[in-house]
Amino acid sequence: EADIYQTPRYLVIGTGKKITLECSQTMGHDKMYWYQQDPGMELHLIHYSYGVNSTEKGDLSSESTVSRIRTEHFPLTLESARPSHTSQYLCASSPITDRGYGYTFGSGTRLTVV
Amino acid sequence: SQQGEEDPQALSIQEGENATMNCSYKTSINNLQWYRQNSGRGLVHLILIRSNEREKHSGRLRVTLDTSKKSSSLLITASRAADTASYFCATDDNYGQNFVFGPGTRLSVLP
Repeated sequence: EADIYQTPRYLVIGTGKKITLECSQTMGHDKMYWYQQDPGMELHLIHYSYGVNSTEKGDLSSESTVSRIRTEHFPLTLESARPSHTSQYLCASSPITDRGYGYTFGSGTRLTVV
Repeated sequence: SQQGEEDPQALSIQEGENATMNCSYKTSINNLQWYRQNSGRGLVHLILIRSNEREKHSGRLRVTLDTSKKSSSLLITASRAADTASYFCATDDNYGQNFVFGPGTRLSVLP
């Protein structure tokens, strides 16, 4: 079944640790996104990609980095986690050629940095 | 960048009643979308309406778009407890590259 998967679902980690949030999709979508969302608040776009070897920064400045080596995989990395990074991170994908389709979202990773 | 603003911020109704949420935006759009988010989960795409459309239906959902007023509404008829969630509208950004999400309406449907 075509879907988008995020792991881990929950992560509690100490300050200064390096972490990678995984996102994979099986729909063959070219475009992928990372959003940051605090509980009950709006979504902020932090990174997006048009396809392999393409990465762009979103509207919200973020200390994270992303890579797109394979179409299906769009991991997000924090080199040194801080308490201010505590949030929910949502990955999404969409076809690039047809803007008549909505985004497909993963279930999210809830990150807590202590 | 352009952003839709949902109204009200929160809405509480009884099961069986209709729920109406509104979204206003600032500049011209190509498409407007509505999403649902259950607590602690990702967003689920509900419906997309194009700028040349005025109304769309999907099951118990009815979406209208008034481009002259730069606003859209989402109506959920005969609400159920399972409809309890946050609802977001999303509009094209100023560059037509990505969709920008509003702050959402938190709907509570009481049994």
